[in-house]
Amino acid sequence: DTGVSQDPRHKITKRGQNVTFRCDPISEHNRLYWYRQTLGQGPEFLTYFQNEAQLEKSRLLSDRFSAERPKGSFSTLEIQRTEQGDSAMYLCASSTTDRGTNEQFFGPGTRLTVL
Amino acid sequence: AQTVTQSQPEMSVQEAETVTLSCTYDTSESDYYLFWYKQPPSRQMILVIRQEAYKQQNATENRFSVNFQKAAKSFSLKISDSQLGDAAMYFCAYRSEHGGSQGNLIFGKGTKLSVKP
Repeated sequence: DTGVSQDPRHKITKRGQNVTFRCDPISEHNRLYWYRQTLGQGPEFLTYFQNEAQLEKSRLLSDRFSAERPKGSFSTLEIQRTEQGDSAMYLCASSTTDRGTNEQFFGPGTRLTVL
Repeated sequence: AQTVTQSQPEMSVQEAETVTLSCTYDTSESDYYLFWYKQPPSRQMILVIRQEAYKQQNATENRFSVNFQKAAKSFSLKISDSQLGDAAMYFCAYRSEHGGSQGNLIFGKGTKLSVKP
């Protein structure tokens, strides 16, 4: 078990471009979460999946953001027409659905810089 | 909506001494979980300790323990015998047990802990 992995670790893009991030959860974990962390703040919830179903989306997730988890394995987070305000660390976490041990394991994050 | 407040942006402790990080939260729910996560510089976030709201006994994990005061909605973290490797950002987090937001964590803004040799 190698833990949660994210790719790329860093992304620099120009305003208006589209970017896509990937998250590979721990293999037996059904739940997958995306968070955004800006400088000096704690992570803020964006969306989560149980298997391939996207069950909840935060109001922070504007129409320019879309997330998928095909086949209930890895997930992608796409941001279209990036804005400077999208610059942040994007964190992925996974967990089991077991009620008593629902610890979320975090990946290293993708740091996005929009110029 | 639930909120988590960490009122100490930065804390400092001498190696081998004890430090307490504060956290308060606001909720109308009775069933929930509370967590402390550690985020070392440029490294991924890891769970330090967790507390179930229905448990009166404070959680302990080696040198880490919590003081959970449910009525006061307070959840502080005590680190004993501080080590250089404890230097990191510490985040307090809340998770509901019920309802539409089941599963996602609500974080405070964090406390940056420095450990002096």
